[in-house]
Amino acid sequence: DQQVKQNSPSLSVQEGRISILNCDYTNSMFDYFLWYKKYPAEGPTFLISISSIKDKNEDGRFTVFLNKSAKHLSLHIVPSQPGDSAVYFCAAYGNKLVFGAGTILRVKS
Amino acid sequence: DTGVSQDPRHKITKRGQNVTFRCDPISEHNRLYWYRQTLGQGPEFLTYFQNEAQLEKSRLLSDRFSAERPKGSFSTLEIQRTEQGDSAMYLCASSFGQVSGNTIYFGEGSWLTVV
Repeated sequence: DQQVKQNSPSLSVQEGRISILNCDYTNSMFDYFLWYKKYPAEGPTFLISISSIKDKNEDGRFTVFLNKSAKHLSLHIVPSQPGDSAVYFCAAYGNKLVFGAGTILRVKS
Repeated sequence: DTGVSQDPRHKITKRGQNVTFRCDPISEHNRLYWYRQTLGQGPEFLTYFQNEAQLEKSRLLSDRFSAERPKGSFSTLEIQRTEQGDSAMYLCASSFGQVSGNTIYFGEGSWLTVV
């Protein structure tokens, strides 16, 4: 049972444009959501998080939006940079952290 | 470096051998987690500790797997009689208290290849 889904396996964006990564979840008990970035052969690096009591959290170029009624969250990266190219994981916490399968982001210069 | 530290980073072993991975969490963190990641998948939860107590184990953690955190600081994950299906990256993470409002930080991972 996949409780956290990232339906886009990959995304390609031009440098300077906006990258939007999407994530859907099924478990309404999740109360905290996180985005991680991962390079090959490295562990996931924390990017940004949001509590279920909020609908938006911003940190520099990264903004996470949460739509609880739709059980959907998204990560916006503006402007996208080539160094942002990596795998992005959405994760949700109920009593443990559950990850989606990831989206590969490629930012073209 | 005060992040989560894992050792070894890479391990190649023959099928049937035992392997052990070590994790040193961020020093003030009382929760420690083990995850496993295979190619094309997100990290999958294996088990977690609060201090020295192992509070939850996933069904993925067969009886060949055992994890310990004897003094509430570092942890070890042992895999006995390794199988080729055990080949994966084993990730350790730590946090202070519950995740909600407190981030889980991951180590660099330990790659296991079973040949």
